[in-house]
Amino acid sequence: SQKIEQNSEALNIQEGKTATLTCNYTNYSPAYLQWYRQDPGRGPVFLLLIRENEKEKRKERLKVTFDTTLKQSLFHITASQPADSATYLCALDNTDKLIFGTGTRLQVFP
Amino acid sequence: EAEVAQSPRYKITEKSQAVAFWCDPISGHATLYWYRQILGQGPELLVQFQDESVVDDSQLPKDRFSAERLKGVDSTLKIQPAELGDSAMYLCASSPSPAGAYEQYFGPGTRLTVT
Repeated sequence: SQKIEQNSEALNIQEGKTATLTCNYTNYSPAYLQWYRQDPGRGPVFLLLIRENEKEKRKERLKVTFDTTLKQSLFHITASQPADSATYLCALDNTDKLIFGTGTRLQVFP
Repeated sequence: EAEVAQSPRYKITEKSQAVAFWCDPISGHATLYWYRQILGQGPELLVQFQDESVVDDSQLPKDRFSAERLKGVDSTLKIQPAELGDSAMYLCASSPSPAGAYEQYFGPGTRLTVT
């Protein structure tokens, strides 16, 4: 069956450290993978998109990798701040629609 | 900056009642999506429009849910009758194109509680 898996447990890290979130998928062959941030009670906000032929994408303190052999994407936030605390969703494209993972809640404490 | 508008933000209704949600996408975005998000889960696509046409409603419970986008601009999602299991966040999103190469812009959502 098709699955997208993200850590269901919250990730707690100290301010200034690098947060690494994982997105694994099975039985999909996405051409694109996207990451979104969602704050409580609000809609998701787009962060980054990476194509299947790209290994890595960066935007300010954010970095995404995409390994189509391992069927995995990693999302990194360097020099994390308490304001980065939120739920992060990965989404992969499947025939012109996005399939979302369950999200990982990140908590950055001072 | 242009935003996706949704109303109402919150709705409490009794089971068996009818409820409707409205969405106004970003101007010029041809593709409009309705998602349902249960607490602790990711958004699940209910229906996808390209202009005024439905291109995917495979996950829409058609016995009670309906959606329309008559002029290819704003859209309405209706539930009749509402059931307890419909309690969730209903999100509307839009994008310039349906392809996965385009980011989706989400509205603030409508939190539905069915009692």
